[in-house]
Amino acid sequence: NAGVTQTPKFRILKIGQSMTLQCTQDMNHNYMYWYRQDPGMGLKLIYYSVGAGITDKGEVPNGYNVSRSTTEDFPLRLELAAPSQTSVYFCASSALRVDTEAFFGQGTRLTVV
Amino acid sequence: GQNIDQPTEMTATEGAIVQINCTYQTSGFNGLFWYQQHAGEAPTFLSYNVLDGLEEKGRFSSFLSRSKGYSYLLLKELQMKDSASYLCAVYTDKLIFGTGTRLQVFP
Repeated sequence: NAGVTQTPKFRILKIGQSMTLQCTQDMNHNYMYWYRQDPGMGLKLIYYSVGAGITDKGEVPNGYNVSRSTTEDFPLRLELAAPSQTSVYFCASSALRVDTEAFFGQGTRLTVV
Repeated sequence: GQNIDQPTEMTATEGAIVQINCTYQTSGFNGLFWYQQHAGEAPTFLSYNVLDGLEEKGRFSSFLSRSKGYSYLLLKELQMKDSASYLCAVYTDKLIFGTGTRLQVFP
């Protein structure tokens, strides 16, 4: 089973460039999340989605955009990359029931120089 | 606002018992999760509490007191492989994580 798949695993961006982090899940989960994790820190929620066509801001949404056109895919768009966006990005998904665990992708390590 | 606090770092000896605390103040509560994260890897699920009390899963137990906004993760018979970060997360209408506790286990 693939679970949650993120691409790319690593990326170096120059200041001002844009990119899309891809996330796809094959578990038919309603909920999908994007987090960022700075070194030695916990996870900060960027955006989340409760189903196709529905997205909402998390704790740190500035500088990012998302879309959810299908149940499977939840891409994260960075426009005008800044050094402050250097981080590890995790995508996660979970089923609709509140007592079900979230499954995480393997992460994307992004460096903005 | 949402506030979930954990100690930043803890150390313990192999074979010992360690308790990692988590306090939370959130707008809404639908359960509390604990995740384990080894360095360079993704978080993996450990436990879930929604009612007050203790949930036991082998060497790991998790406790919740909703009235106090408090949870702890208890790790028994510590092994070297338990060296990792432990993340407390509260489900409101979304999953919010705490700051994480880095545990180092020494021989």
